[in-house]
Amino acid sequence: EPEVTQTPSHQVTQMGQEVILRCVPISNHLYFYWYRQILGQKVEFLVSFYNNEISEKSEIFDDQFSVERPDGSNFTLKIRSTKLEDSAMYFCASSEYEGSPPGELFFGEGSRLTVL
Amino acid sequence: KNQVEQSPQSLIILEGKNCTLQCNYTVSPFSNLRWYKQDTGRGPVSLTIMTFSENTKSNGRYTATLDADTKQSSLHITASQLSDSASYICVVEPSGYSTLTFGKGTMLLVSP
Repeated sequence: EPEVTQTPSHQVTQMGQEVILRCVPISNHLYFYWYRQILGQKVEFLVSFYNNEISEKSEIFDDQFSVERPDGSNFTLKIRSTKLEDSAMYFCASSEYEGSPPGELFFGEGSRLTVL
Repeated sequence: KNQVEQSPQSLIILEGKNCTLQCNYTVSPFSNLRWYKQDTGRGPVSLTIMTFSENTKSNGRYTATLDADTKQSSLHITASQLSDSASYICVVEPSGYSTLTFGKGTMLLVSP
């Protein structure tokens, strides 16, 4: 069964360092997302991406964050200068379509980021 | 503000028993409601998706109901198994947006 894959599974970094989280969405999917989940809290939307550009972003997704689809398969989330509060599980997700009927969203297993 | 509230926060049941989890939402206008299962430390996995015109949707031992008038949904799990132990998350998609609103989840523990 096709799946969304994420790397690394766990990354520990020092505050102020840059981090890149990588995702390989399901191959025929066109819509890509990043979500985060701080330990013990609910999943929060960060950004959605379609047709090589950001379609929506949340208040969390400030200038420290960026996304890129550098080639036909990878989808990356970059945090330029990490803060302690960026420590969370980051989930990549992809969907074949949006709208009606609603497309099923497939999540990766997550990348756990720990900022020291 | 769009909100999704789930109850109970946590639940312990014996293997083989049934349980029902609740979800209330204030999202409007509303497009669809989803239930996800999230094992500890893993990504959420979709169980059901219901549009505003659907009242019920089943996926094996999982049955979701939706009352769009009262903005309530429930997830019923029958004949629970140990592997059902997980967090169950209610997620609502507003109309016209791609942003999903997540609930905090109900943590279910199925005990032998």
